Amino acid sequence: DPKIIQKPKYLVAVTGSEKILICEQYLGHNAMYWYRQSAKKPLEFMFSYSYQKLMDNQTASSRFQPQSSKKNHLDLQITALKPDDSATYFCASSQPRGYEQYFGPGTRLTVL
Amino acid sequence: GDSVTQTEGQVALSEEDFLTIHCNYSASGYPALFWYVQYPGEGPQFLFRASRDKEKGSSRGFEATYNKETTSFHLQKASVQESDSAVYYCALGAMQQGTGSKLSFGKGAKLTVSP
Repeated sequence: DPKIIQKPKYLVAVTGSEKILICEQYLGHNAMYWYRQSAKKPLEFMFSYSYQKLMDNQTASSRFQPQSSKKNHLDLQITALKPDDSATYFCASSQPRGYEQYFGPGTRLTVL
Repeated sequence: GDSVTQTEGQVALSEEDFLTIHCNYSASGYPALFWYVQYPGEGPQFLFRASRDKEKGSSRGFEATYNKETTSFHLQKASVQESDSAVYYCALGAMQQGTGSKLSFGKGAKLTVSP
């Protein structure tokens, strides 16, 4: 059974719209993360959460907003979408003091 | 800031060849070092890590040794198989106080193994 679920697998959006990427983990971890991977840049850290609190934000734009409604959820809301936002977004999790992060299968976002 | 350099973008080998993928890092403090592997259409998978100087990490026949002097963590495998074809990422973990670890990834090395 998949331990980290990301929905949807593929997402197509128009410029200027808003989308929410879903992430749920069933590994019992208390730290969760978002990373982005595009053709222009390799895996790039975006956010980290620990016990549902934002710990680190490396995203320059406020258009990206993580949302944690439950301990094992960390969704990513993206507003005013731009074509440059096209990428695969990966959710990951780990123990708060652990090092190994486990990644989900990703959501591939295409902005037209 | 912390960074990871992988010099090989593409590596093409035949089965049973010896593999080396180079990884050098730059970081303040004493980071943990990782190797991840990514197959097409999937998320990166943790391969192994090392947390201190001269520690060897290993998994599935792959290994790497943390070298603080040369700031390196080179991935090696004695005999590759076609199923090892994937993208390999070296990563550096900067532990944040009381939290998880932010990972900084290299650009990745795409390994293609021919039968």
